[in-house]
Amino acid sequence: QKEVEQDPGPLSVPEGAIVSLNCTYSNSAFQYFMWYRQYSRKGPELLMYTYSSGNKEDGRFTAQVDKSSKYISLFIRDSQPSDSATYLCAMSFSGDMRFGAGTRLTVKP
Amino acid sequence: DTGVSQNPRHKITKRGQNVTFRCDPISEHNRLYWYRQTLGQGPEFLTYFQNEAQLEKSRLLSDRFSAERPKGSFSTLEIQRTEQGDSAMYLCASSPKIRVSNEQFFGPGTRLTVL
Repeated sequence: QKEVEQDPGPLSVPEGAIVSLNCTYSNSAFQYFMWYRQYSRKGPELLMYTYSSGNKEDGRFTAQVDKSSKYISLFIRDSQPSDSATYLCAMSFSGDMRFGAGTRLTVKP
Repeated sequence: DTGVSQNPRHKITKRGQNVTFRCDPISEHNRLYWYRQTLGQGPEFLTYFQNEAQLEKSRLLSDRFSAERPKGSFSTLEIQRTEQGDSAMYLCASSPKIRVSNEQFFGPGTRLTVL
């Protein structure tokens, strides 16, 4: 079993839809949770970071962490074609970081 | 541009050759990380420096791989006797020491193709 599980998709939604992306993990030591966006052939770009359980909102993006269920989510409201990318969840407790495989999202105009 | 930079962006080499990649982190970031990413997968941790000290190495990092960070500034990743299985995107990231969250900022990557 991988430490971090993420459905690779692909996920296709119409413009304006609410997108829900999720990851589960097995290591209860993880304390810091991040979401990265990666465009094709580019390096990952940090979107959101949360510590422990709870919600965090930044514009159209909301990150949720449920440590009791070992489950994290990223919601994108009013999705735009420019949101089309691969979204990677990541988590850490010390020096290194563990990534999910990434969910490929396409937002159609 | 004050982001993480990596050179070269692309490298094509023949099997058995040695290659070296360079990463320049964000200025004043103490931590520097190397990852490998293959198609359809998330980045896999390879190694990590705090200043010039290499603090952690993944089991994925075979003896053919070596990384350095002289003077705690830029870093190099060398792969000796390349194999076709080494073909991947090699990503570098940096992080400021004061942030316990370990937020990492990635460079654009070096895409390696081994023929």
